[in-house]
Amino acid sequence: DGGITQSPKYLFRKEGQNVTLSCEQNLNHDAMYWYRQDPGQGLRLIYYSQIVNDFQKGDIAEGYSVSREKKESFPLTVTSAQKNPTAFYLCASSMMGQGGETQYFGPGTRLLVL
Amino acid sequence: DAKTTQPTSMDCAEGRAANLPCNHSTISGNEYVYWYRQIHSQGPQYIIHGLKNNETNEMASLIITEDRKSSTLILPHATLRDTAVYYCIVRVYSGAGSYQLTFGKGTKLSVIP
Repeated sequence: DGGITQSPKYLFRKEGQNVTLSCEQNLNHDAMYWYRQDPGQGLRLIYYSQIVNDFQKGDIAEGYSVSREKKESFPLTVTSAQKNPTAFYLCASSMMGQGGETQYFGPGTRLLVL
Repeated sequence: DAKTTQPTSMDCAEGRAANLPCNHSTISGNEYVYWYRQIHSQGPQYIIHGLKNNETNEMASLIITEDRKSSTLILPHATLRDTAVYYCIVRVYSGAGSYQLTFGKGTKLSVIP
């Protein structure tokens, strides 16, 4: 069954703790993305990666870090520097190339700070 | 900037066509219009996209005006499961072969029994 998986579905973080959100895709997509969504708002881009071992900051990268060691995987770490981490986190992937690189989204991880 | 303007909310009777408008008056000639929808607490679902011509797939139709400054997403026979937030997005080239989707707040479509 092809697609994008995110785990866990819910995650609780204590103050000052780093947490890592998992994103895996078996669509053989080149590009992967992380978005944050706050209640009643649209999605905001955190980081994206077009190729293994390379990634770029999006609009709200502060307090987050990523890695892209494998094509299939793009984990996001929410660090203690992120002062307001409670949000819904969405991972997406797409092909690269001319003419309409549709992004497909995973089911999301909801992060809550205790 | 999202580069698009959508109504905040709309209602549609079950079984009728839902017509969701979107204004994108500053769109450039090579920028695509994308539509996604998001059901509560789920990831956004891709619906359709287009450049100049009208497009149709198994989910919806996309009508783009000749000047490309606006478009309409049509769900031909709305069901209760179509209740969701619908996002109209202009895909922007951000350099080095990369494209960005900027999500605004979308239109909350409520399908009424």
